[in-house]
Amino acid sequence: GNSVTQMEGPVTLSEEAFLTINCTYTATGYPSLFWYVQYPGEGLQLLLKATKADDKGSNKGFEATYRKETTSFHLEKGSVQVSDSAVYFCALIPNRDDKIIFGKGTRLHILP
Amino acid sequence: DADVTQTPRNRITKTGKRIMLECSQTKGHDRMYWYRQDPGLGLRLIYYSFDVKDINKGEISDGYSVSRQAQAKFSLSLESAIPNQTALYFCATRSGWNQPQHFGDGTRLSIL
Repeated sequence: GNSVTQMEGPVTLSEEAFLTINCTYTATGYPSLFWYVQYPGEGLQLLLKATKADDKGSNKGFEATYRKETTSFHLEKGSVQVSDSAVYFCALIPNRDDKIIFGKGTRLHILP
Repeated sequence: DADVTQTPRNRITKTGKRIMLECSQTKGHDRMYWYRQDPGLGLRLIYYSFDVKDINKGEISDGYSVSRQAQAKFSLSLESAIPNQTALYFCATRSGWNQPQHFGDGTRLSIL
């Protein structure tokens, strides 16, 4: 079946550190891939997306590249800020299927 | 104003009570969803609807019911609340099968 696996948290980094949150998926065909962010007390917001192999999604300094050969969509940011503290969810939409499948989320803490 | 509005934002109630959570949207999307979020479990789909006459069960529909009163309104009911339904509940909308979801800010429900 379709599934998303992301690294368990919490992840704690100092401000200006380099961030990687790993995400791998299992799906048939060519799913669309997403990263969502959830700030405290809020709902999930779309951070970035990629709809085909080798696409790179980017937003607010975050990037993720759709790697079909490794079935991965790792989230990266070169220099994190305290305001990036949140929970990050990797998600996929299987090809021509309506349901979105979410990973369990990774909590990120950035220390000043 | 928020595109997806959930009411109430917080609710504390007792076991056995009937509870309704409401969701309204101004995005004009046909597809609407209800999720619950529990620590360490990510988001799990309860029910979803493609239009007023189309309601579908998600992965954890037992103990819940929904009503799609209009394109813009989708409510979730707990007929007889139990403590393990204590969670954060999110409503979401979507314009098409390959599009990202737009979330409300959630309802924090506590059942004593």
